[in-house]
Amino acid sequence: EDQVTQSPEALRLQEGESSSLNCSYTVSGLRGLFWYRQDPGKGPEFLFTLYSAGEEKEKERLKATLTKKESFLHITAPKPEDSATYLCAVLGAGGTSYGKLTFGQGTILTVHP
Amino acid sequence: GAVVSQHPSRVICKSGTSVKIECRSLDFQATTMFWYRQFPKQSLMLMATSNEGSKATYEQGVEKDKFLINHASLTLSTLTVTSAHPEDSSFYICSAALLGLRTDTQYFGPGTRLTVL
Repeated sequence: EDQVTQSPEALRLQEGESSSLNCSYTVSGLRGLFWYRQDPGKGPEFLFTLYSAGEEKEKERLKATLTKKESFLHITAPKPEDSATYLCAVLGAGGTSYGKLTFGQGTILTVHP
Repeated sequence: GAVVSQHPSRVICKSGTSVKIECRSLDFQATTMFWYRQFPKQSLMLMATSNEGSKATYEQGVEKDKFLINHASLTLSTLTVTSAHPEDSSFYICSAALLGLRTDTQYFGPGTRLTVL
């Protein structure tokens, strides 16, 4: 069974204070690892897809990296508008041909001005 | 990124009535659509997966007769909550994906808040 664990559960940062969110996973044949941002009362917003170890992707202040066991979402010089819940999910190759994602519980990020 | 819409965004209904929620992929044809529900401060829980023109696949514990899913086209899926009760009150979110090699990303709709009185 695929599993995803995110840490920390909550993270409070001062504006400009860089940090990283962790997503540890176990999966039978990784087809993709996904990062989403979710604001309260809204659906998840797609950020990144990573497919293989060593891959990195960047978007504004966010950078996602991937190893064989975990993924990091690095936030550089965050701003208050980066406050949200960040969700990590994996898509495994084992037996599920229809794309079922396994989600972590999320990290609640709060950036104070 | 791709755009997925949901309608309505919020619905309040009386116990015993049925509610239909629409999910549309606006700028791409989705091979597969997914329906989730989310309780406060919890992650998304997959309810069912649907492919255009075929019956939906429901997750264990989800009543298929209560949560009817129709996937009429490559851009439209509907979830009908039949005979809704207060315990069905939740945040329902759909997603759409074009599944295939390196195109497995799910794009989510904005969600529908259902309140059953």
